[in-house]
Amino acid sequence: GQQLNQSPQSMFIQEGEDVSMNCTSSSIFNTWLWYKQDPGEGPVLLIALYKAGELTSNGRLTAQFGITRKDSFLNISASIPSDVGIYFCAGRSTGNQFYFGTGTSLTVIP
Amino acid sequence: EAGVVQSPRYKIIEKKQPVAFWCNPISGHNTLYWYRQNLGQGPELLIRYENEEAVDDSQLPKDRFSAERLKGVDSTLKIQPAELGDSAVYLCASSLDNGGYMRETQYFGPGTRLLVL
Repeated sequence: GQQLNQSPQSMFIQEGEDVSMNCTSSSIFNTWLWYKQDPGEGPVLLIALYKAGELTSNGRLTAQFGITRKDSFLNISASIPSDVGIYFCAGRSTGNQFYFGTGTSLTVIP
Repeated sequence: EAGVVQSPRYKIIEKKQPVAFWCNPISGHNTLYWYRQNLGQGPELLIRYENEEAVDDSQLPKDRFSAERLKGVDSTLKIQPAELGDSAVYLCASSLDNGGYMRETQYFGPGTRLLVL
């Protein structure tokens, strides 16, 4: 199955720094979702985006639906140790299928 | 509100043995998904149900995998016989597809970790 291009693959940052990751696709998507997955658990939904250009925040998290409908980014401001985990983007295609990115592994150094 | 429930959480079997996973979606969610997640990868869809109908099973290896959602609520995913390469995390997710604007988002269960020896 298709997997979206997600970058960076991994990040090591100091506590308090901002984080930015993005996801691109060769296909147009109707919905973009961002998930966080902790070890041994299923992905947990962070932010959902439904319209091109939409910018949505959830606490220290901000995500945007690219105007081309082929990309999305997620920003985390003022990172804290509990932000550690793997972040996945997911897109819903015009054919109503969901595709996931390859994940960004985030490590926050206290 | 209870989330998506999956069981078992862990399963270790020998190759060629059968195995089954169970999922109970969030109450009222009409769409149910089974995903497989290999180590270091994102989830990949195996099958999607809308109510009791399998509407997308194009990625399901039908020679050994089967799934059912008889009453449009809970679901089982079966592998028979299991192969070494089937070792992965099997995730179930559900969503409420209310048509129209199609504002569906998926909520995942904790997954079943399968190890085939």
